[in-house]
Amino acid sequence: GEDVEQSLFLSVREGDSSVINCTYTDSSSTYLYWYKQEPGAGLQLLTYIFSNMDMKQDQRLTVLLNKKDKHLSLRIADTQTGDSAIYFCAVGLYGNTGKLIFGQGTTLQVKP
Amino acid sequence: ETGVTQTPRHLVMGMTNKKSLKCEQHLGHNAMYWYKQSAKKPLELMFVYNFKEQTENNSVPSRFSPECPNSSHLFLHLHTLQPEDSALYLCASSQEKSGGAENTQYFGPGTRLTVL
Repeated sequence: GEDVEQSLFLSVREGDSSVINCTYTDSSSTYLYWYKQEPGAGLQLLTYIFSNMDMKQDQRLTVLLNKKDKHLSLRIADTQTGDSAIYFCAVGLYGNTGKLIFGQGTTLQVKP
Repeated sequence: ETGVTQTPRHLVMGMTNKKSLKCEQHLGHNAMYWYKQSAKKPLELMFVYNFKEQTENNSVPSRFSPECPNSSHLFLHLHTLQPEDSALYLCASSQEKSGGAENTQYFGPGTRLTVL
């Protein structure tokens, strides 16, 4: 079955760029998503990219997709303390199942 | 209200209790989802409803019983739960259930469930 892997923890200094990485196994992915979860809250959709795109930029967020290597990354420019949260990568599969396969989440710690 | 709302936000119940979780979406979507989020485990999809019809039951024990009376409301009825069922239960909705952009899922804040 589909497997999505993320590193568990990333620590950066305020003002630096953060890069959160994700790898997946299924080549029949369609859309790939990044969600943010703050303590005690649900998942907030940050951005998503269609699998035939290489890059998508949205203000401070840049998503890069290397479909050959099945690698997705989220870059946050000028990281702020408010960006501290858990970031989940999710992969949508081809077909009519509605399923998203989630990684285990990367905890981003931003130090002042 | 906008987006996806869930009530209650916190619930403590004994193993012999019966309770229900409620989810409501104000996005005009047609698909709704229940997920379970446990500590140190990936998000687990439990149930999928599309146009009020259940299309996915991800081998969920029968002590969890979903109900979708219309496209805007989703319930999860709980009875005789176990302590290992303690988790954050998240509801989500999407425009429809598909492999395309219409499947982009929007989440509620979750219900933190503790089973004693």
